[in-house]
Amino acid sequence: AQKVTQAQTEISVVEKEDVTLDCVYETRDTTYYLFWYKQPPSGELVFLIRRNSFDEQNEISGRYSWNFQKSTSSFNFTITASQVVDSAVYFCALSEIRQAGTALIFGKGTTLSVSS
Amino acid sequence: KAGVTQTPRYLIKTRGQQVTLSCSPISGHRSVSWYQQTPGQGLQFLFEYFSETQRNKGNFPGRFSGRQFSNSRSEMNVSTLELGDSALYLCASSQGPSSYNEQFFGPGTRLTVL
Repeated sequence: AQKVTQAQTEISVVEKEDVTLDCVYETRDTTYYLFWYKQPPSGELVFLIRRNSFDEQNEISGRYSWNFQKSTSSFNFTITASQVVDSAVYFCALSEIRQAGTALIFGKGTTLSVSS
Repeated sequence: KAGVTQTPRYLIKTRGQQVTLSCSPISGHRSVSWYQQTPGQGLQFLFEYFSETQRNKGNFPGRFSGRQFSNSRSEMNVSTLELGDSALYLCASSQGPSSYNEQFFGPGTRLTVL
Protein backbone atom coordinates (compact mmCIF):
# COMPACT_ATOMS: atom_id res chain seq x y z
CA ALA A 1 0.00 0.00 0.00
CA GLN A 2 1.05 3.56 -0.56
CA LYS A 3 2.34 5.49 2.41
CA VAL A 4 3.98 8.86 2.97
CA THR A 5 5.85 9.61 6.17
CA GLN A 6 6.86 13.05 7.30
CA ALA A 7 8.58 12.26 10.57
CA GLN A 8 9.10 15.88 11.58
CA THR A 9 5.85 17.14 13.03
CA GLU A 10 7.13 20.61 13.86
CA ILE A 11 10.30 22.51 13.12
CA SER A 12 11.27 25.92 14.48
CA VAL A 13 14.10 27.94 13.02
CA VAL A 14 15.33 31.50 13.09
CA GLU A 15 15.33 33.58 9.95
CA LYS A 16 18.21 32.93 7.55
CA GLU A 17 18.72 29.40 8.79
CA ASP A 18 18.56 26.58 6.28
CA VAL A 19 15.98 23.90 6.97
CA THR A 20 15.29 20.49 5.43
CA LEU A 21 11.90 18.83 5.54
CA ASP A 22 12.01 15.07 5.22
CA CYS A 23 9.65 12.89 3.23
CA VAL A 24 9.85 9.10 2.97
CA TYR A 25 7.42 7.17 0.83
CA GLU A 26 6.42 3.57 0.27
CA THR A 27 5.10 2.18 -2.98
CA ARG A 28 5.28 -1.10 -4.81
CA ASP A 29 4.89 0.56 -8.16
CA THR A 30 7.69 1.71 -10.43
CA THR A 31 5.67 4.54 -11.91
CA TYR A 32 4.55 7.24 -9.54
CA TYR A 33 4.55 10.97 -8.87
CA LEU A 34 5.68 12.87 -5.82
CA PHE A 35 4.49 16.32 -4.83
CA TRP A 36 5.13 19.01 -2.27
CA TYR A 37 2.40 21.42 -1.23
CA LYS A 38 2.52 24.38 1.16
CA GLN A 39 -0.39 25.39 3.38
CA PRO A 40 0.13 28.89 4.81
CA PRO A 41 -1.95 30.15 7.74
CA SER A 42 -4.58 31.38 5.27
CA GLY A 43 -5.42 27.73 4.60
CA GLU A 44 -5.16 27.30 0.83
CA LEU A 45 -2.73 24.64 -0.27
CA VAL A 46 -0.23 25.82 -2.83
CA PHE A 47 1.55 23.52 -5.25
CA LEU A 48 5.35 23.65 -5.02
CA ILE A 49 6.74 20.83 -7.14
CA ARG A 50 5.95 17.59 -8.95
CA ARG A 51 8.46 14.89 -9.71
CA ASN A 52 7.89 11.61 -11.55
CA SER A 53 9.60 8.39 -10.57
CA PHE A 54 11.82 8.38 -13.64
CA ASP A 55 13.33 11.78 -13.01
CA GLU A 56 15.80 11.75 -10.15
CA GLN A 57 17.36 15.08 -11.00
CA ASN A 58 17.43 17.44 -8.08
CA GLU A 59 15.67 20.72 -8.60
CA ILE A 60 16.33 24.21 -7.38
CA SER A 61 13.88 27.06 -7.52
CA GLY A 62 15.15 30.18 -5.84
CA ARG A 63 15.61 29.40 -2.15
CA TYR A 64 13.84 26.05 -2.53
CA SER A 65 15.51 22.81 -3.53
CA TRP A 66 14.39 19.21 -3.67
CA ASN A 67 16.43 16.03 -3.35
CA PHE A 68 14.80 12.91 -4.79
CA GLN A 69 16.52 9.60 -4.02
CA LYS A 70 14.79 6.43 -5.14
CA SER A 71 17.39 4.29 -3.38
CA THR A 72 16.17 5.56 -0.02
CA SER A 73 12.58 6.34 -1.13
CA SER A 74 13.00 9.92 -0.04
CA PHE A 75 11.98 13.25 -1.49
CA ASN A 76 13.36 15.90 0.83
CA PHE A 77 12.75 19.63 0.61
CA THR A 78 15.28 22.26 1.66
CA ILE A 79 14.64 25.94 2.21
CA THR A 80 17.79 28.03 2.15
CA ALA A 81 17.98 31.23 4.16
CA SER A 82 14.50 30.80 5.57
CA GLN A 83 12.17 33.77 5.94
CA VAL A 84 9.19 34.44 8.18
CA VAL A 85 6.91 34.09 5.14
CA ASP A 86 8.02 30.47 4.85
CA SER A 87 6.08 29.68 8.01
CA ALA A 88 3.45 27.14 6.95
CA VAL A 89 2.53 23.50 6.97
CA TYR A 90 4.30 21.56 4.24
CA PHE A 91 2.85 18.38 2.81
CA CYS A 92 4.53 15.69 0.78
CA ALA A 93 2.24 13.55 -1.38
CA LEU A 94 2.46 10.44 -3.54
CA SER A 95 0.36 9.01 -6.35
CA GLU A 96 0.72 5.92 -8.46
CA ILE A 97 -0.41 6.31 -12.06
CA ARG A 98 -0.34 2.69 -13.14
CA GLN A 99 -3.94 2.24 -12.16
CA ALA A 100 -6.75 4.43 -13.36
CA GLY A 101 -8.30 6.67 -10.79
CA THR A 102 -5.42 6.61 -8.37
CA ALA A 103 -5.75 9.00 -5.47
CA LEU A 104 -3.17 11.34 -4.05
CA ILE A 105 -1.89 10.24 -0.63
CA PHE A 106 -0.65 13.02 1.63
CA GLY A 107 1.76 12.81 4.53
CA LYS A 108 0.69 14.26 7.87
CA GLY A 109 2.61 17.44 7.19
CA THR A 110 5.45 19.33 8.83
CA THR A 111 4.70 22.64 10.51
CA LEU A 112 7.54 25.06 9.94
CA SER A 113 7.81 28.13 12.13
CA VAL A 114 10.35 30.77 11.17
CA SER A 115 10.94 33.51 13.71
CA SER A 116 12.65 36.83 13.11
CA LYS B 1 -8.01 33.76 -14.08
CA ALA B 2 -10.23 33.20 -11.07
CA GLY B 3 -9.11 30.56 -8.60
CA VAL B 4 -11.05 27.69 -7.11
CA THR B 5 -14.00 28.93 -5.12
CA GLN B 6 -15.85 27.09 -2.41
CA THR B 7 -19.12 27.96 -0.78
CA PRO B 8 -20.00 28.36 1.95
CA ARG B 9 -16.78 29.13 3.79
CA TYR B 10 -18.19 28.25 7.18
CA LEU B 11 -21.04 26.03 8.20
CA ILE B 12 -22.48 24.94 11.51
CA LYS B 13 -24.81 21.96 11.59
CA THR B 14 -26.17 19.57 14.19
CA ARG B 15 -25.87 15.82 14.30
CA GLY B 16 -28.22 14.00 11.97
CA GLN B 17 -28.56 16.86 9.52
CA GLN B 18 -27.22 16.80 6.00
CA VAL B 19 -25.03 19.32 4.23
CA THR B 20 -24.10 20.22 0.66
CA LEU B 21 -20.82 21.93 -0.17
CA SER B 22 -20.09 23.55 -3.50
CA CYS B 23 -16.91 23.95 -5.52
CA SER B 24 -16.29 25.93 -8.69
CA PRO B 25 -13.04 24.90 -10.38
CA ILE B 26 -10.73 27.06 -12.40
CA SER B 27 -12.11 27.66 -15.86
CA GLY B 28 -11.03 24.90 -18.21
CA HIS B 29 -10.24 22.41 -15.47
CA ARG B 30 -12.13 19.16 -15.84
CA SER B 31 -10.98 17.37 -12.70
CA VAL B 32 -12.30 18.19 -9.25
CA SER B 33 -11.12 16.39 -6.13
CA TRP B 34 -12.38 16.65 -2.59
CA TYR B 35 -10.36 16.21 0.58
CA GLN B 36 -11.16 16.19 4.27
CA GLN B 37 -8.63 17.78 6.60
CA THR B 38 -8.67 17.16 10.35
CA PRO B 39 -5.98 17.61 13.01
CA GLY B 40 -5.97 13.89 13.77
CA GLN B 41 -6.18 12.29 10.34
CA GLY B 42 -4.59 15.01 8.25
CA LEU B 43 -5.53 15.36 4.59
CA GLN B 44 -7.62 12.47 3.34
CA PHE B 45 -8.89 11.97 -0.18
CA LEU B 46 -12.65 11.77 -0.52
CA PHE B 47 -13.29 11.46 -4.25
CA GLU B 48 -12.40 12.78 -7.67
CA TYR B 49 -14.64 13.69 -10.56
CA PHE B 50 -13.47 14.03 -14.12
CA SER B 51 -15.86 15.04 -16.89
CA GLU B 52 -18.86 14.30 -14.67
CA THR B 53 -17.67 10.79 -13.81
CA GLN B 54 -16.37 9.69 -10.45
CA ARG B 55 -12.86 8.38 -11.09
CA ASN B 56 -11.98 7.29 -7.62
CA LYS B 57 -13.33 7.27 -4.09
CA GLY B 58 -11.48 7.30 -0.81
CA ASN B 59 -12.18 5.19 2.23
CA PHE B 60 -15.21 7.06 3.53
CA PRO B 61 -18.70 5.79 4.35
CA GLY B 62 -21.54 6.05 1.88
CA ARG B 63 -22.85 9.10 3.74
CA PHE B 64 -20.30 11.04 1.73
CA SER B 65 -21.27 11.53 -1.88
CA GLY B 66 -20.61 13.93 -4.66
CA ARG B 67 -21.34 14.85 -8.20
CA GLN B 68 -20.02 17.01 -10.99
CA PHE B 69 -22.02 19.04 -13.43
CA SER B 70 -21.43 19.63 -17.11
CA ASN B 71 -19.75 22.97 -16.35
CA SER B 72 -17.29 21.10 -14.07
CA ARG B 73 -18.74 22.59 -10.90
CA SER B 74 -18.95 20.01 -8.17
CA GLU B 75 -20.92 19.42 -5.03
CA MET B 76 -20.34 17.07 -2.17
CA ASN B 77 -23.03 15.95 0.22
CA VAL B 78 -22.76 14.51 3.68
CA SER B 79 -25.88 12.96 5.11
CA THR B 80 -26.68 12.07 8.71
CA LEU B 81 -23.88 14.21 10.05
CA GLU B 82 -21.75 12.94 12.92
CA LEU B 83 -19.55 14.90 15.30
CA GLY B 84 -16.50 13.37 13.64
CA ASP B 85 -17.43 14.99 10.33
CA SER B 86 -16.28 18.34 11.70
CA ALA B 87 -13.40 19.26 9.43
CA LEU B 88 -12.06 21.53 6.75
CA TYR B 89 -13.28 20.29 3.39
CA LEU B 90 -10.99 21.22 0.54
CA CYS B 91 -11.74 21.16 -3.13
CA ALA B 92 -9.01 21.08 -5.75
CA SER B 93 -9.14 21.32 -9.51
CA SER B 94 -6.70 20.33 -12.22
CA GLN B 95 -6.66 20.25 -15.98
CA GLY B 96 -6.25 16.51 -16.07
CA PRO B 97 -6.39 13.64 -13.59
CA SER B 98 -5.28 14.67 -10.13
CA SER B 99 -2.87 11.78 -9.77
CA TYR B 100 -0.24 13.43 -11.93
CA ASN B 101 -1.34 17.00 -12.46
CA GLU B 102 -0.78 20.07 -10.38
CA GLN B 103 -3.86 20.73 -8.31
CA PHE B 104 -5.17 24.14 -7.39
CA PHE B 105 -6.91 24.23 -4.05
CA GLY B 106 -9.76 26.37 -2.85
CA PRO B 107 -9.89 28.04 0.58
CA GLY B 108 -12.02 25.26 2.01
CA THR B 109 -15.33 25.00 3.83
CA ARG B 110 -15.03 24.76 7.60
CA LEU B 111 -17.82 22.44 8.79
CA THR B 112 -18.64 22.25 12.46
CA VAL B 113 -21.06 19.60 13.65
CA LEU B 114 -22.61 20.16 17.07
